Amino acid sequence: SQQGEEDPQALSIQEGENATMNCSYKTSINNLQWYRQNSGRGLVHLILIRSNEREKHSGRLRVTLDTSKKSSSLLITASRAADTASYFCATVNSGSARQLTFGSGTQLTVLP
Amino acid sequence: GAGVSQTPSNKVTEKGKYVELRCDPISGHTALYWYRQSLGQGPEFLIYFQGTGAADDSGLPNDRFFAVRPEGSVSTLKIQRTERGDSAVYLCASSPIAGVGDTQYFGPGTRLTVL
Repeated sequence: SQQGEEDPQALSIQEGENATMNCSYKTSINNLQWYRQNSGRGLVHLILIRSNEREKHSGRLRVTLDTSKKSSSLLITASRAADTASYFCATVNSGSARQLTFGSGTQLTVLP
Repeated sequence: GAGVSQTPSNKVTEKGKYVELRCDPISGHTALYWYRQSLGQGPEFLIYFQGTGAADDSGLPNDRFFAVRPEGSVSTLKIQRTERGDSAVYLCASSPIAGVGDTQYFGPGTRLTVL
């Protein structure tokens, strides 16, 4: 089953603008990860934030995590046409589970 | 190549047939995961292996689905008596160990179409 929802489902912006995607989840987590997927095939890991962290940066990516609201956001700054893809958040739940539980994804289109 | 590979990339079969999907993980990775992704959705967990044993198969939808990893490396996902609802992209991922903070490295997937 899906962990939660991502918002928006689709986002279209101009090159150079920032893109923000939000993710909500339902259960207690160990960590939250963001993945990127091109053309409905292989997923690429972008960034991981642990449950005791609030913010993390990696290049043009900034991720925040609010465990009290069970939500996370992914900010891509200075977007490029090559950033066009689907973006998914995924959680590893607290406890013994090791698998990822994915959200429904945001389709980002960056127009040149 | 150094990444996760999956074969075949595409598989078309008829309802009721048996299919096998193969995953070659990154060399040395002991944890291997199978996910299924339907159109417009995020991947959904099926099963994961730690070494040769299935550590968690709670995501397998029914007993038509089975997976093996006999030597702790290559894994095969087996689907019996396929149904049209089994059509999806089947993704495999591996990680060095099944640690909670480990990055999972995904293969390109196998697109299964059941006619």
